[in-house]
Amino acid sequence: KNEVEQSPQNLTAQEGEFITINCSYSVGISALHWLQQHPGGGIVSLFMLSSGKKKHGRLIATINIQEKHSSLHITASHPRDSAVYICAVKATHYNDMRFGAGTRLTVKP
Amino acid sequence: DVKVTQSSRYLVKRTGEKVFLECVQDMDHENMFWYRQDPGLGLRLIYFSYDVKMKEKGDIPEGYSVSREKKERFSLILESASTNQTSMYLCASSLVRDRNPWGHYYNEQFFGPGTRLTVL
Repeated sequence: KNEVEQSPQNLTAQEGEFITINCSYSVGISALHWLQQHPGGGIVSLFMLSSGKKKHGRLIATINIQEKHSSLHITASHPRDSAVYICAVKATHYNDMRFGAGTRLTVKP
Repeated sequence: DVKVTQSSRYLVKRTGEKVFLECVQDMDHENMFWYRQDPGLGLRLIYFSYDVKMKEKGDIPEGYSVSREKKERFSLILESASTNQTSMYLCASSLVRDRNPWGHYYNEQFFGPGTRLTVL
């Protein structure tokens, strides 16, 4: 079983829809990242959080440490949001990060 | 802004060839990482380095080696490329940040654009 599980694996939405991507993890963590990977491969960090909630523009990330769960929400989705979204955790007993398999989001106009 | 660059975006090699993938970061980061990314498996750590000439094996080091002669440069070497090493390779770097009570360093990683390697 992977230490970091994401759902869904693939998601297709119409422009304007509210989108939620989920991440569950099974290890103790010091922080959780949400990453975005556009076609072509480049990865950028969207959020880094260890508790509560963060908001940046139309993106909102929440984390529940007790339940070992995080969600990434996109409000008023747009075709340019189409990308792979990756959840990654910094586990407390590892020196590196552990990654989910990613959620491929396609937003249609 | 942190900039992490990789020597090639696309690379095609033949089985048995020696392959060098180069990664350079311009922000004086201590830590550098090499990952491979395969569909359905996510990113898997091959090797990482926390200082010049230092290296640590990740989850899947077999068939790979690394070199860190200078702080800004971390090279991944495929000694004898095989078809199962066809993949997307991503380099990342990070500063050493907060040290938690267990003595581990927490680090936000910055990624390069990736190299898509095909081994024929």
